[in-house]
Amino acid sequence: AQSVTQLDSQVPVFEEAPVELRCNYSSSVSVYLFWYVQYPNQGLQLLLKYLSGSTLVESINGFEAEFNKSQTSFHLRKPSVHISDTAEYFCAVSYTGTASKLTFGTGTRLQVTL
Amino acid sequence: EAGVTQFPSHSVIEKGQTVTLRCDPISGHDNLYWYRRVMGKEIKFLLHFVKESKQDESGMPNNRFLAERTGGTYSTLKVQPAELEDSGVYFCASSQVWVAKDEQYFGPGTRLTVT
Repeated sequence: AQSVTQLDSQVPVFEEAPVELRCNYSSSVSVYLFWYVQYPNQGLQLLLKYLSGSTLVESINGFEAEFNKSQTSFHLRKPSVHISDTAEYFCAVSYTGTASKLTFGTGTRLQVTL
Repeated sequence: EAGVTQFPSHSVIEKGQTVTLRCDPISGHDNLYWYRRVMGKEIKFLLHFVKESKQDESGMPNNRFLAERTGGTYSTLKVQPAELEDSGVYFCASSQVWVAKDEQYFGPGTRLTVT
C-alpha cells in the first residue's frame, strides 16, 4: 500500500531558528508531492507542490522543499521561522496511476516560541 | 470567490444517531472529495465525485456511510447509525480538473464527536 511517513509528530523551535520537517513516501511510480498547512481553526491550505522540473520548490512565505527521488523524500525547510508559522503541516502525495486522490502523512505540529 | 464551505463546523451526537454533513465546493469545480482524520492519525481519503458521479469510493469505511452529490453541486455525507469510531474531522475538498497534479482546495472541516 502507498504511504507517506512524517516521523516527527511535534517540532518545537525558537523564533528565527531554522527548521526541517521530514517527509518520506513509498512509491515505485511517478508522484506529485504537496505540503499543506493548517493554521489553528482553519482548513488546509496548499503551501507548495512538486509536479516536475526543478527539484527545489518554494513558497511565498519562505518555505522550500526538495524532491529527492533516490531517497523518496520531500522534506520541508525554512531558514528562519516566525511565530506565525505555528501550525500543523501535512505532507501528501498523489500517484499518477490513482487519479487524483491524495495520500497524507500523519502531520507535524510546528510550535514556534520566543 | 468563496472557498469550500462545510456545515456544521461541529456536531456532537450519540451512538446510534444519524448525522448529515454538507459540503459546498468552489463554484465551477466538478471534482469533490471527502477525507477524514481520526484523532492523531493521517487524513484519509473517503471518496471522489466527478460532477454527480462517484468516481472512486474505495475509502468509504462501510455501508453506514452514504455520500451524495445531487445535481453536481453540493454534497452530503450521511452516517447512519453513527458509531464511536466515526469520531473525527471530516474534510471536503474540490478541484477544477480531474488530474493527480491539480490543486485541491479544502474546507475548514466538520468535527464529529460520537458519544
